[in-house]
Amino acid sequence: EPEVTQTPSHQVTQMGQEVILRCVPISNHLYFYWYRQILGQKVEFLVSFYNNEISEKSEIFDDQFSVERPDGSNFTLKIRSTKLEDSAMYFCASRIIRGEQYFGPGTRLTVT
Amino acid sequence: AQSVTQPDIHITVSEGASLELRCNYSYGATPYLFWYVQSPGQGLQLLLKYFSGDTLVQGIKGFEAEFKRSQSSFNLRKPSVHWSDAAEYFCAVGPNNAGNMLTFGGGTRLMVKP
Repeated sequence: EPEVTQTPSHQVTQMGQEVILRCVPISNHLYFYWYRQILGQKVEFLVSFYNNEISEKSEIFDDQFSVERPDGSNFTLKIRSTKLEDSAMYFCASRIIRGEQYFGPGTRLTVT
Repeated sequence: AQSVTQPDIHITVSEGASLELRCNYSYGATPYLFWYVQSPGQGLQLLLKYFSGDTLVQGIKGFEAEFKRSQSSFNLRKPSVHWSDAAEYFCAVGPNNAGNMLTFGGGTRLMVKP
């Protein structure tokens, strides 16, 4: 069964550093998403991406964040200058035109 | 703004007992509704979804959920819990349009006693 994959599974970085989280969505999916889950808190929507542009974003997704689909298979989330409060589990998801979202296993980001 | 409430943070049931996890949502129109399960160290796996039609939906692993519009609820049930069902369960709501960003509840952690 096809699945969403994410790399790395765990990323440790120092405050102020740039990080790129990578996702490979399911191949025939058209909508892509990033969510995050701070430890002990709710899963929160960050951004959705369709047709090579952002279709929706939350207030969390400020100028420090960006997304890109650099080729036909990868979908990345970049955090330009990480803060301590960016420490969280980041989930990528994808879906076809009308359907449920399929989530990847997540990348745990630890900012020290 | 849409919101999802899962009133029970922790639930403990005995193996073989029945289970009901509560979910209430606030949304201005007819939403899409979902239940996801997260095992330790794992991602979010879809258990079931409601888009339209029959308000009782069947999912994987023997789970079902009932959409009750009058109560704004979408409770998850299972008649007989197995030890492997121990996990965190998330209810989520999304708009029935193309964007479909999901709003999640806070989750219910299920523990299963032998």
